[in-house]
Amino acid sequence: EFVLTQSPGTLSLSPGERATLSCRASQRVSSNYLAWYQQIPGQSPRLLIYGASTRATDIPDRFSGSGSGTDFTLTITRLEPEDSAVYYCQQYGNSPVIFGKGTKVEIK
Amino acid sequence: QVQLVQSGGGLVNSGGSLRLSCAASGFTFSDSYMIWIRQSPGRGLEYISYISGTSSFIDYADSVKGRFTISRDNGRKSLYLQMNSLRVDDTAVYYCARSSHWFGEIRHWGQGSLVTVSS
Repeated sequence: EFVLTQSPGTLSLSPGERATLSCRASQRVSSNYLAWYQQIPGQSPRLLIYGASTRATDIPDRFSGSGSGTDFTLTITRLEPEDSAVYYCQQYGNSPVIFGKGTKVEIK
Repeated sequence: QVQLVQSGGGLVNSGGSLRLSCAASGFTFSDSYMIWIRQSPGRGLEYISYISGTSSFIDYADSVKGRFTISRDNGRKSLYLQMNSLRVDDTAVYYCARSSHWFGEIRHWGQGSLVTVSS
């Protein structure tokens, strides 16, 4: 069974700090088909990163993705209050599409 | 701009049926791959079903295969999810969404429809 494990579960940081979120796959992610989504409470998820490192349209360059194979990272530099959200990684490219359980980012 | 407006959620008894709809605008619907995803506290974000632009290719998650049916009407620019034999663990917020390609990343999401299945 393909599993995506996200860590940490919760990250509590101050504005201006840097957040590093991890997503580890139980199997190799083919063609780096790995995406990151942001979900603000009460809203639908929003695509941030696809292809492991390509920013989606209108996403600020404070958000960056990296990694390959089984280990991926979402980095948010210069945290802002509006970055308070749950962040999910997703494996796509074949069925079934799989999501991680999410990392909650709290802004102090 | 791209809009996906959902309707049709609600409360239903276990074993019952419900149909979700999703009205699309702001893009060429007939060329687009569409997907249903659900979210619940216990199961997180969970893939349900994919459909290609011409309905030639359809895929379901094992958890809903044989009970749910995805369909689309390109003339009406609408996506549907017919849910039969509903179970308590189908309770979730259901999202329709637009994918970049067959099993691609999910570019746009609807606002979500709450489906509650009571025992």
